[in-house]
Amino acid sequence: NAGVTQTPKFRILKIGQSMTLQCTQDMNHNYMYWYRQDPGMGLKLIYYSVGAGITDKGEVPNGYNVSRSTTEDFPLRLELAAPSQTSVYFCASIPGGNQPQHFGDGTRLSIL
Amino acid sequence: RKEVEQDPGPFNVPEGATVAFNCTYSNSASQSFFWYRQDCRKEPKLLMSVYSSGNEDGRFTAQLNRASQYISLLIRDSKLSDSATYLCVAEAGSYQLTFGKGTKLSVIP
Repeated sequence: NAGVTQTPKFRILKIGQSMTLQCTQDMNHNYMYWYRQDPGMGLKLIYYSVGAGITDKGEVPNGYNVSRSTTEDFPLRLELAAPSQTSVYFCASIPGGNQPQHFGDGTRLSIL
Repeated sequence: RKEVEQDPGPFNVPEGATVAFNCTYSNSASQSFFWYRQDCRKEPKLLMSVYSSGNEDGRFTAQLNRASQYISLLIRDSKLSDSATYLCVAEAGSYQLTFGKGTKLSVIP
């Protein structure tokens, strides 16, 4: 039972490059989330999805895009990487209701 | 903006001590609350949910005061393995969560 799986675990990008952070869950959860966590800070919600085909902005969506074509996958896209996007990115999911979130291991992204 | 405020610490306590973390939340409509634990460079992991009646899980006790919009976590008989950052979390509506910045705990031998 893998839970929430994120890839890659680490990545270094140059300014202006693009990349996709992958997130997949095998628990058939409807709700999925992307967060970023800067050093010494709490988690900030970037985007979330309440089901396949439905996505919505969180607190800090600028510079990111998402899609949800299947229940399992919720990729996060950076189109033009900027140094301010250097952070640790976490994906999470819940089945529904006010239940605690299950987190992936995170992706550590540095943009130089 | 809906926020969760925590004392950032760090709290440095000896093994066996009792330590209490406090947290306030601004969204009076929040219905669900949690404490998460986050080890250095790791993902947050659920420690316990918080209920109005208070709840206990071994050495850990969580309390919720809705009138004061206040949440607490008490850790008794601290262990070295309790060293981590503790995140206070409140539901923000539409199945979203608002995370506090966390309180860092170091348990010293």
